[in-house]
Amino acid sequence: EDKVVQSPLSLVVHEGDTVTLNCSYEVTNFRSLLWYKQEKKAPTFLFMLTSSGIEKKSGRLSSILDKKELFSILNITATQTGDSAIYLCAVESKDEGADGLTFGKGTHLIIQP
Amino acid sequence: NAGVTQTPKFQVLKTGQSMTLQCAQDMNHEYMSWYRQDPGMGLRLIHYSVGAGITDQGEVPNGYNVSRSTTEDFPLRLLSAAPSQTSVYFCASSHRGRRGYTFGSGTRLTVV
Repeated sequence: EDKVVQSPLSLVVHEGDTVTLNCSYEVTNFRSLLWYKQEKKAPTFLFMLTSSGIEKKSGRLSSILDKKELFSILNITATQTGDSAIYLCAVESKDEGADGLTFGKGTHLIIQP
Repeated sequence: NAGVTQTPKFQVLKTGQSMTLQCAQDMNHEYMSWYRQDPGMGLRLIHYSVGAGITDQGEVPNGYNVSRSTTEDFPLRLLSAAPSQTSVYFCASSHRGRRGYTFGSGTRLTVV
């Protein structure tokens, strides 16, 4: 059974701080790892990672995957109050009949002014 | 606007009632899926479809039915609602293997 564990489950920091969110996974036939940001409604896509060691970057957010150690991190630098959200990590398997995403429980990030 | 459209946004049901949550996408995505999100549980896959006429069960399929008669639509049916089905339901679609999944805005369902 595929499994995704995110840590920490919640985090409170001050505006301007840098945060690192962790995601470890177990999946029988890895296809990709995805990060999503969820504010009040639907999750919105941040990154898809398929190759180990290649950093994906978008503004102040970046993410990297380690396929050997089976984890990924999401970094947010110079945090702003608008970064407050639940950050979800999910993995996708190549296995036939094992479709869909397996999600972690999420990290609830709160940025205080 | 292109995307995934879910209706209704909110619904209250009595135990034992049935209803259908609608999901439609206009991006010609072959893959569609339904998730439920409960506090402390993350999102869990209910059912999914890899194309018209093909559906399969996810992690938590009991109490739900789906069908996929067209590429665009993937309705989720609750056969006999139970309080344990109180949750937020998300529909998602994708071109498999490409840039992530697109989620609908969700349906908040309360079963009393």
